[in-house]
Amino acid sequence: ELKVEQNPLFLSMQEGKNYTIYCNYSTTSDRLYWYRQDPGKSLESLFVLLSNGAVKQEGRLMASLDTKARLSTLHITAAVHDLSATYFCAVDEVKGGSEKLVFGKGTKLTVNP
Amino acid sequence: KAGVTQTPRYLIKTRGQQVTLSCSPISGHRSVSWYQQTPGQGLQFLFEYFSETQRNKGNFPGRFSGRQFSNSRSEMNVSTLELGDSALYLCASSFRTSRETQYFGPGTRLLVL
Repeated sequence: ELKVEQNPLFLSMQEGKNYTIYCNYSTTSDRLYWYRQDPGKSLESLFVLLSNGAVKQEGRLMASLDTKARLSTLHITAAVHDLSATYFCAVDEVKGGSEKLVFGKGTKLTVNP
Repeated sequence: KAGVTQTPRYLIKTRGQQVTLSCSPISGHRSVSWYQQTPGQGLQFLFEYFSETQRNKGNFPGRFSGRQFSNSRSEMNVSTLELGDSALYLCASSFRTSRETQYFGPGTRLLVL
């Protein structure tokens, strides 16, 4: 069964600093997603990474995928308070003809002024 | 374009009762997936419907069921509610398959007393 591990689970950082969130998964998959969830709100899609070496950037967030290492990273550059949220990675599991998304536990990011 | 809508937004039930939650996908989207989010287990896939057929199913007991109508609206039903069913239930829609970017609704928060 596919396992998806994120670390850290909690991250408190100062505005202006850089940091990276890591997402490891246990079995081969060809698709990885990053989502953002604000408190009390639903999930918002950030990135879909489809191939080894894929890199996508949106504003201060950059996501990359290394399928050989089964690792994705979400890099935060010069953090601002508005980035405070919980970030989830999710991986497609295809098994026995069925598919489902398996989510990590999430990384709760707090950006302090 | 209107987003994914879910009703009701909040619900309080007692153990043993049953509940039906509704999800209206984005217009033109035919795939609807359901997820359960709890603090302990995180986000877990329940099932996916496409063209009125259940296409994929997660590891939940048979008390959890769903259906999809010809207009792509979907309902999920939980019978014989247990305290552990208290959760945020999220619905997500995508154009054809859950392997595309999914757009999440605001969720229904269910409290079982």
